Amino acid sequence: QVQLQESGPGLVKPSQTLSLTCTVSGGSVSRGSFFWSWIRQPAGKGLEWIGRIFTTGSTNYNPSLKRRVTISVDTSKNHFSLKLTSVTAADTAVYFCARESSSSLLYYQYYMDVWGKGTTVTVSS
Amino acid sequence: QSVLTQPPSASGTPGQRVTISCSGSNSNIGSNTVNWYQQLPGTAPKLLIYNNNQRPSGVPDRFSGSKSGTSASLAISGLQSEDEADYYCAAWDDSLNGVVFGGGTKLTVL
Repeated sequence: QVQLQESGPGLVKPSQTLSLTCTVSGGSVSRGSFFWSWIRQPAGKGLEWIGRIFTTGSTNYNPSLKRRVTISVDTSKNHFSLKLTSVTAADTAVYFCARESSSSLLYYQYYMDVWGKGTTVTVSS
Repeated sequence: QSVLTQPPSASGTPGQRVTISCSGSNSNIGSNTVNWYQQLPGTAPKLLIYNNNQRPSGVPDRFSGSKSGTSASLAISGLQSEDEADYYCAAWDDSLNGVVFGGGTKLTVL
């Protein structure tokens, strides 16, 4: 079955760019009608959706992060990536990647059915 | 402040039935389907209910979901100790053009 694995630096300096990758195994990031998503969770707090990319490359971003976020797909490496610029301590969190599926293919009826284990990113000098 | 509102905590004794509410608005729950996720301590969230009331394969039928208007509910019957977790509702929001989550409900099995 499809599995996801996040990877990237665990420590990022303030004002720099956070870059994470989610490697997809057991499936193809370019096949099917899936969204590939990023979600984060500060310690002791709830989930925050960051954004997603469709298999065609179209994206949706959280309006509160849109100015700083880019999500992209690399089909040759079968992974998708997150870049978050100008980070501050408020961006410290566990970052999860997930696959969104839908039985109807309507954009508002997708659900996150496969999740990575998450990776902790700390923003500190 | 989360777009979807959940009670921060809920509790029950083994065997009891517990419900967790999720309140939204016309732009999210009122227009779109609701999903529920279970997050056991120290782990990634897991899909529990999708499309308001559908259970993925492997999720016990003790878990059920419902939606009415701009609110949704997750019910857990025959409560078990392993149900102790955080539960999150989520839906697409047409105004924000994105996915919104509830703040999460911490379920304690007494």
